[in-house]
Amino acid sequence: NAGVTQTPKFQVLKTGQSMTLQCAQDMNHEYMSWYRQDPGMGLRLIHYSVGAGITDQGEVPNGYNVSRSTTEDFPLRLLSAAPSQTSVYFCASKPGQLNEKLFFGSGTQLSVL
Amino acid sequence: QQPVQSPQAVILREGEDAVINCSSSKALYSVHWYRQKHGEAPVFLMILLKGGEQKGHEKISASFNEKKQQSSLYLTASQLSYSGTYFCGTGSGTYKYIFGTGTRLKVLA
Repeated sequence: NAGVTQTPKFQVLKTGQSMTLQCAQDMNHEYMSWYRQDPGMGLRLIHYSVGAGITDQGEVPNGYNVSRSTTEDFPLRLLSAAPSQTSVYFCASKPGQLNEKLFFGSGTQLSVL
Repeated sequence: QQPVQSPQAVILREGEDAVINCSSSKALYSVHWYRQKHGEAPVFLMILLKGGEQKGHEKISASFNEKKQQSSLYLTASQLSYSGTYFCGTGSGTYKYIFGTGTRLKVLA
């Protein structure tokens, strides 16, 4: 049972490049989400999904796109990377009930030059 | 708007106690607490629900004041392993879980 798997672990991009951060979970969780973590800012919610075909914006959605075609996968797309998107990105999932804990992936460290 | 945590940082000696506070400007349905070690993912500690139900850690306790929209995490007889950054995460009855800015805790031998 792998839990929440994020790839890649590290990535360096040039300004304007595009890329997709992958997130997959094998726990049949309905809820999946993406956070970014910057020094002194804690974890900020980018986008989240409550099931296949359903996504919604979080606190800081600008510059990021998501889709949820399957229960297992929730990729995060950067269409035109900017230095302000340099951060550590975490994917998290949980069962559909409100009172359940989040399971986090190991994170992706992204640098945009 | 992110919940506000206080203090921002605290240093303890082994065996000392600490309290970390989390305050939200929105009505809360639940509060989650997580601890993160440097370079690692956050790890779940506890959930507190509206109505008083708690689910989580054996050695760490917490409170949830629904009217004041506040939660506090109580670390008693701290151990070296308690060092890390603590985050509260808040749920307002939807699936939009917002985390606080974090409290850095360091326990010294």
